[in-house]
Parts: sequence; structure tokens; C-alpha cells
Amino acid sequence: NAGVTQTPKFQVLKTGQSMTLQCAQDMNHNSMYWYRQDPGMGLRLIYYSASEGTTDKGEVPNGYNVSRLNKREFSLRLESAAPSQTSVYFCASSVQGADGYTFGSGTRLTVV
Amino acid sequence: EDQVTQSPEALRLQEGESSSLNCSYTVSGLRGLFWYRQDPGKGPEFLFTLYSAGEEKEKERLKATLTKKESFLHITAPKPEDSATYLCAVQAGGNNRLAFGKGNQVVVIP
Repeated sequence: NAGVTQTPKFQVLKTGQSMTLQCAQDMNHNSMYWYRQDPGMGLRLIYYSASEGTTDKGEVPNGYNVSRLNKREFSLRLESAAPSQTSVYFCASSVQGADGYTFGSGTRLTVV
Repeated sequence: EDQVTQSPEALRLQEGESSSLNCSYTVSGLRGLFWYRQDPGKGPEFLFTLYSAGEEKEKERLKATLTKKESFLHITAPKPEDSATYLCAVQAGGNNRLAFGKGNQVVVIP
């Protein structure tokens, strides 16, 4: 099915461990985004990529890095996980200038 | 900084009891206002885009309206399957980023 695919769906990390969240879209969208969602905080933008080869910081970028591997794939890396990074992470994509975003189903990350 | 405020935070409705959700926004140069539906454990699902004051869009029991300062999502004769969190977001300025509100959690009781 066409859409945005995120892996893994669930992950538990120990403080200080690193991991990469993967995101791929098959809709030929130009722009891709990473959000985190926390209770009472809503969706907050971590990083985005307006087009292949470009990335920019969003509202809450500290502790994260991203790579726009190609037009389809946009990964989010936690170099040294902290309990404050426990959250649900959503990847999304959009056609530049068009309606809204298409979201993936999310990655639920717990850092202990 | 773009600001989006949704009210009420939570709403319990009897089946068939119509109501409205509010999304007020403060942005410079609104390009679009978006409504999404989010079910527990899932990603947000696109519902509507509104571009200019006075615009209205409908889908089944949902109707979204837009003024210069706020948007309303009207739920007419809701059913239990309308239970979800409804997210409002705005797109402004020269980029494609969306700024989201915290959501309206709606529970429809049979």
C-alpha cells in the first residue's frame, strides 16, 4: 500500500544507547518531516527536509540528527538516548506546496 | 511564532449530540489550516484543508469552517466511531512546515 512506512514500531533503549529510526515513502513526495508527540504537548517538529539533499532544524532538534538518504528515505538518529526522549515519533511527507502531510504509523520509543 | 490553540481539550458526547471543536490561531500569512483525525496508537489521518476565511468543507458528519482568527470542526449527530483526537494545524509563511495544536479528544458514548 502506498504511504509512509516507519520502522521499528516499538523500541526500548537504555540511557546512552544509540539508534536510528527509519522512514520511507513511496508517493514521490519532495518534503519529509520528523515529529515527536508527547502527552499534553501535541506534535512538535524535530527536523525536516524540504527536498532531497537539504535538512533543517525544527522546534526541538537537540539530541537528534537526520539524514535524507534519497528522495524516499529520511532517517532520525539518537546518538546518546536520554529518558527525556521517551516519546512517540512520527514521520510524515508532503508534496511541496500541496495539501497537508501523510503520516506514518509511528515509533513508540522508551528510554530507561 | 505561529500559535495554535484548541478547545476544549476533552469532550464527552452522547451519541447523536452535536457539538463543535474550536481551533484559534495566530500566524503571519496563513497558507492553509488543516484538520486531522488521530486514533489511539495510529498516525494522524488527513481530514480537511481550508485556505481562506469563509471556506467550508464537509465529510460525512464533520464540517470544518474558517474565519480570520479561528476554525471550527462541527460534529453533527456523532456516532461512537467518531471517537478520536482531532488535531488542528496551520501552514504559514514561505515553507511547508505545519504547526499543530494539542488536539481535541472526543469520546462519543452509545
